[in-house]
Amino acid sequence: DGGITQSPKYLFRKEGQNVTLSCEQNLNHDAMYWYRQDPGQGLRLIYYSQIVNDFQKGDIAEGYSVSREKKESFPLTVTSAQKNPTAFYLCASRQGGGAETQYFGPGTRLLVL
Amino acid sequence: QKEVEQNSGPLSVPEGAIASLNCTYSDRGSQSFFWYRQYSGKSPELIMSIYSNGDKEDGRFTAQLNKASQYVSLLIRDSQPSDSATYLCAVRSNTGNQFYFGTGTSLTVIP
Repeated sequence: DGGITQSPKYLFRKEGQNVTLSCEQNLNHDAMYWYRQDPGQGLRLIYYSQIVNDFQKGDIAEGYSVSREKKESFPLTVTSAQKNPTAFYLCASRQGGGAETQYFGPGTRLLVL
Repeated sequence: QKEVEQNSGPLSVPEGAIASLNCTYSDRGSQSFFWYRQYSGKSPELIMSIYSNGDKEDGRFTAQLNKASQYVSLLIRDSQPSDSATYLCAVRSNTGNQFYFGTGTSLTVIP
């Protein structure tokens, strides 16, 4: 099956702990994105990557880090510097070039213990 | 000023009626516009994309774009209870690399 997978579905973070959310796609898409969604708010961009080994900050990058070592993988680390990490995290990918549409993974819900 | 604005609702319509969802955007140079449907606890799924002024129809869904007014809308005809969800409007930035989302409109279709 082609698509985007995110794991885990639920993640619990202790105070001061770094946690990493996984995002993998087998669509051969060039671009990948991480969004955060809070209740009653739209999706806010954390980081995005257009090609391997390159990524750019979005509107709310503080307290997060990413890597793009492989085309199919774009993991997001929520660091201890992110003081309010509880949210629904969505990974998306887009073919790149002139392709317009983003496709979303199933999401990871992060909760703070 | 928010990049993309939507009425948060909730919007309630009876089954079989037309639901009308609206969205405005601030970047006059934007060229690509999208409507996503998001069920509670799930990720967004694409319903429609529209790039040119006018109407675009796909089954029971019609997207309307007016670039001069910076306005995008989604009409859902013959609304069904299964259409009950939050609808997100998204706009691709003028640079092409980022997408901006509205806060979503919650729609409830009453049987």
